[in-house]
Amino acid sequence: EVQLVESGGGLVQPGRSLRLSCTGSGFAFGDYAMGWFRQAPGKGLEWVGFIRSKAYGGTSEYVASVKGRFTVSRDDSKSIAYLQMNSLKTEDTAVYYCIRVVMGPPWLDAFDIWGQGTMVTVSS
Amino acid sequence: DIQMTQSPSAMSASVGDRVTITCRASQGIANFLAWFQQKPGKVPKRLIYAASSLQSGVPSRFSGSGSGTEFTLTISSLQSEDFATYYCLQHNGYPWTFGHGTKVEIK
Repeated sequence: EVQLVESGGGLVQPGRSLRLSCTGSGFAFGDYAMGWFRQAPGKGLEWVGFIRSKAYGGTSEYVASVKGRFTVSRDDSKSIAYLQMNSLKTEDTAVYYCIRVVMGPPWLDAFDIWGQGTMVTVSS
Repeated sequence: DIQMTQSPSAMSASVGDRVTITCRASQGIANFLAWFQQKPGKVPKRLIYAASSLQSGVPSRFSGSGSGTEFTLTISSLQSEDFATYYCLQHNGYPWTFGHGTKVEIK
């Protein structure tokens, strides 16, 4: 079964750091770009960032509100993607979802697999 | 940034109704658009990708159309399990952006 499982969420104070993990199984993890979305309580969905597969450079992109604070990385040997969150703000409070983004051209068959989500609460 | 204007924001409908939800992009996005369904407390589920391709396992009453700047999600005959919130997502340009959602409620 193709699956993504997130871990690492919890309660953290403003200004502190947290790292989320996303473990993939049932598919060739290294062949896919991997990403993160989030959803604040009672709000809509927001893209956070993603990392390309090594075949396409392994580089990453981010939404402006997290650029310079959040980093997406990957360890394909363990089938894990990470979201390192630094300098957390109260507005980062949300459920964070790990997403299997896409394998390759034409880049259209994307976002098919989602993890169950992990809650991050930023509060003093 | 590409803005996705989704309408309506909410609607009431009856079982058997035909439902149409629209997303308009502030600039052309070709067919880099996906539709998702989310039920309360659940993980979003992909319904449509590439604007009009149906996700495997999704009932054929769901369909997507459009290209460029105007896109539509249609439910041909609404079923009780379809009451949920629907989101569009463009992934043609960064940042990827969602519509604000359409909540489909029971009339």
